[in-house]
Amino acid sequence: SQQGEEDPQALSIQEGENATMNCSYKTSINNLQWYRQNSGRGLVHLILIRSNEREKHSGRLRVTLDTSKKSSSLLITASRAADTASYFCATDGYQAGTALIFGKGTTLSVSS
Amino acid sequence: NAGVTQTPKFQVLKTGQSMTLQCAQDMNHEYMSWYRQDPGMGLRLIHYSVGAGITDQGEVPNGYNVSRSTTEDFPLRLLSAAPSQTSVYFCASSAVRQLGGEAFFGQGTRLTVV
Repeated sequence: SQQGEEDPQALSIQEGENATMNCSYKTSINNLQWYRQNSGRGLVHLILIRSNEREKHSGRLRVTLDTSKKSSSLLITASRAADTASYFCATDGYQAGTALIFGKGTTLSVSS
Repeated sequence: NAGVTQTPKFQVLKTGQSMTLQCAQDMNHEYMSWYRQDPGMGLRLIHYSVGAGITDQGEVPNGYNVSRSTTEDFPLRLLSAAPSQTSVYFCASSAVRQLGGEAFFGQGTRLTVV
């Protein structure tokens, strides 16, 4: 399988705390993306980081990428109950980017 | 602008029945793909297409067929449904100009095979 792995599989925090999720992947990439999935819904794109970038910010999201370790992390600062969802990393390593390879996801639960 | 539309949202099939899951996008995207999502497995790629008339197999293609006669539509066919195909199916599309870029997902089809 070419799938990556997210760690942890599940994360429970209180509102206001930071949430960190990690992703490891197997193939060389041009970029890595993070998606969010609310329960029973489709996936929504959050942020994309290119292979020549080490860190990227978008609002309360911070993504890092270490291509030498084939790993990435997603930090959500000052979490809110609305951040409760599953989070997936995805790489473009399949057939030169024609389709994405997803990890198994981290389920984040933020309680108020 | 509807984005990616999947139909039906829910379906129950008996083992051995056939059906087609529909996927349509109105963004003129060249790339389209089908994934299945199972508990604890994340999303696994079934088939994908880089344009009308061109399809290829993903990680778990067995038991599924696809075709891409138009840019807009990318149906997924189950020829003889099996209980192992019980899953949630997602269709996604993205633009070539954003190679490896943002994918847009439909809301999913929840399929149960009994």
